[in-house]
Amino acid sequence: GESVGLHLPTLSVQEGDNSIINCAYSNSASDYFIWYKQESGKGPQFIIDIRSNMDKRQGQRVTVLLNKTVKHLSLQIAATQPGDSAVYFCAEDENYGQNFVFGPGTRLSVLP
Amino acid sequence: DAGITQSPRHKVTETGTPVTLRCHQTENHRYMYWYRQDPGHGLRLIHYSYGVKDTDKGEVSDGYSVSRSKTEDFLLTLESATSSQTSVYFCAISDRDSYNEQFFGPGTRLTVL
Repeated sequence: GESVGLHLPTLSVQEGDNSIINCAYSNSASDYFIWYKQESGKGPQFIIDIRSNMDKRQGQRVTVLLNKTVKHLSLQIAATQPGDSAVYFCAEDENYGQNFVFGPGTRLSVLP
Repeated sequence: DAGITQSPRHKVTETGTPVTLRCHQTENHRYMYWYRQDPGHGLRLIHYSYGVKDTDKGEVSDGYSVSRSKTEDFLLTLESATSSQTSVYFCAISDRDSYNEQFFGPGTRLTVL
């Protein structure tokens, strides 16, 4: 099946800087996307989602951008904090919530 | 973890033995899922359930079976464990048919020797 991938497997940023994590997807029929955060030894935690009829959505310190033309998804974290250090997954929904496809993840390291 | 528990949290077993993992939710959500997570593969769907006694296969269902006799419990069984099934297993739940995030449990680390 089609899959979701990530451009960068690791990302290191200075505390206080903004972080951008990218994701490419290949299924043009996907209509719902989610970003998850996973800390070591824990399950994935929902961060933010976006439907395909939107191109931007903002949450608390996070923004998700969707570019359907190039099938690209990004997660922006403002003023990155040490607590943001984790692995971030993007996921696309190919079947109205019945078939999420997850990318392998990007590890974000926040440097002091 | 959104009212989701998994048991056991850690298990070591031997090849050829049966293993059952349990997911329990207190959210009364309709949908429940079992994923496995392996380095380089991300999360992959094993089986899912859309109601009591209603289940379906996911991407990597071979060697696994599931059962859901109550809304709150979703069991994953490895009939005869193999070393390739060493992984971290996550249960997830969701409560709507579409456009709805899945909430994940804390995971079960299974090692098959």
